[in-house]
Amino acid sequence: AQSVTQLDSQVPVFEEAPVELRCNYSSSVSVYLFWYVQYPNQGLQLLLKYLSGSTLVESINGFEAEFNKSQTSFHLRKPSVHISDTAEYFCAVSSGGSYIPTFGRGTSLIVHP
Amino acid sequence: ETGVTQSPTHLIKTRGQQVTLRCSSQSGHNTVSWYQQALGQGPQFIFQYYREEENGRGNFPPRFSGLQFPNYSSELNVNALELDDSALYLCASSFEWGEAFFGQGTRLTVV
Repeated sequence: AQSVTQLDSQVPVFEEAPVELRCNYSSSVSVYLFWYVQYPNQGLQLLLKYLSGSTLVESINGFEAEFNKSQTSFHLRKPSVHISDTAEYFCAVSSGGSYIPTFGRGTSLIVHP
Repeated sequence: ETGVTQSPTHLIKTRGQQVTLRCSSQSGHNTVSWYQQALGQGPQFIFQYYREEENGRGNFPPRFSGLQFPNYSSELNVNALELDDSALYLCASSFEWGEAFFGQGTRLTVV
């Protein structure tokens, strides 16, 4: 069985400050890891994913995440956030060759001016 | 190329009623997954359909059922609605086991 723990339900931060959203997973087999973003009243959008290869993955809008197998973590970071980054962020894991992800409970990123 | 579309966007049902939610998959996609997202929670996997066959199911009772049609669109049916069924229902489509693209969801309120 696989599971995801997002340690922070809410992360408030000021604009242009750095941010880290934490994600830990548990799985007995090799994993695929994902971060999704959900803006108010919208569906989920894939932000970035780790399938294999380089443990550091990046998105087109400045976010990055690093797969750390020894710590079973996949934290999401951005060096300088914008007001428009305010949204709900979900970490997800799938394993055993399946692309059906199990989601965490989400972290609400709130960027203040 | 059209994205994933879901209908209706909102609806209100009474406890004990039945509901059907619809999802049109993105062009070229043959796999559809359904998720339930309760308020303040992450999406929970209900089931997945691949080429019209159920291909995996989460921990949901049998009153949650589905269909996938030859054009790969899909329906989610819920019988004997309960108050706890109130949630955002998300549909995601993909080609085979590739990246899943999500629709905007259907907000179901059971009163």
